[in-house]
Amino acid sequence: AQKITQTQPGMFVQEKEAVTLDCTYDTSDPSYGLFWYKQPSSGEMIFLIYQGSYDQQNATEGRYSLNFQKARKSANLVISASQLGDSAMYFCAMSLFSGGYNKLIFGAGTRLAVHP
Amino acid sequence: GAVVSQHPSRVICKSGTSVKIECRSLDFQATTMFWYRQFPKKSLMLMATSNEGSKATYEQGVEKDKFLINHASLTLSTLTVTSAHPEDSSFYICSARAHKGTSGRYEQFFGPGTRLTVL
Repeated sequence: AQKITQTQPGMFVQEKEAVTLDCTYDTSDPSYGLFWYKQPSSGEMIFLIYQGSYDQQNATEGRYSLNFQKARKSANLVISASQLGDSAMYFCAMSLFSGGYNKLIFGAGTRLAVHP
Repeated sequence: GAVVSQHPSRVICKSGTSVKIECRSLDFQATTMFWYRQFPKKSLMLMATSNEGSKATYEQGVEKDKFLINHASLTLSTLTVTSAHPEDSSFYICSARAHKGTSGRYEQFFGPGTRLTVL
């Protein structure tokens, strides 16, 4: 069964430090996509970064990078130089092709708190 | 980037009434939209996939007669919560699928969400 697991319900990091948010996934489909979204208290879902299952290199988007370890089925998000505005809920998601459509399944989320 | 709006952002209604939530893609056409439900401090759960001009595909355990979805045009999908009860109170989020030209893959753009409170 397809599943996304985020084992860290909450994380704390000091401002300007780097932090890693864990995500593992389970699928038997060879073709899939992995996403990270940020959800601040306002509720909007903000796309951060994407990694395709066939991508050879780890994805990077500014201060965000994805540590993709395919054999371990992990897709950890690394945020470098944390800022106070990074405090939010972070969701890892996997896209699956099902019934003719790509749909996303989400992990339980990790709440990140950045301290000054 | 692509913008998706939802209306209303908040709604409070009495038990037994029906509530309609609109999801619009403002600057792109979306043949496929998705509806999610999120309980406080929980993850997003996909409720259904909405396709323009055809019936929605509901996830297991989601009552299609309770949550009516209509995707009448390429820019609008609506979710109607019929005969709402307090247990339907939740944060409802829609997303619209768009094709990202340079990468060649589909992306989902999320609306800002609608907070429903049923008294």
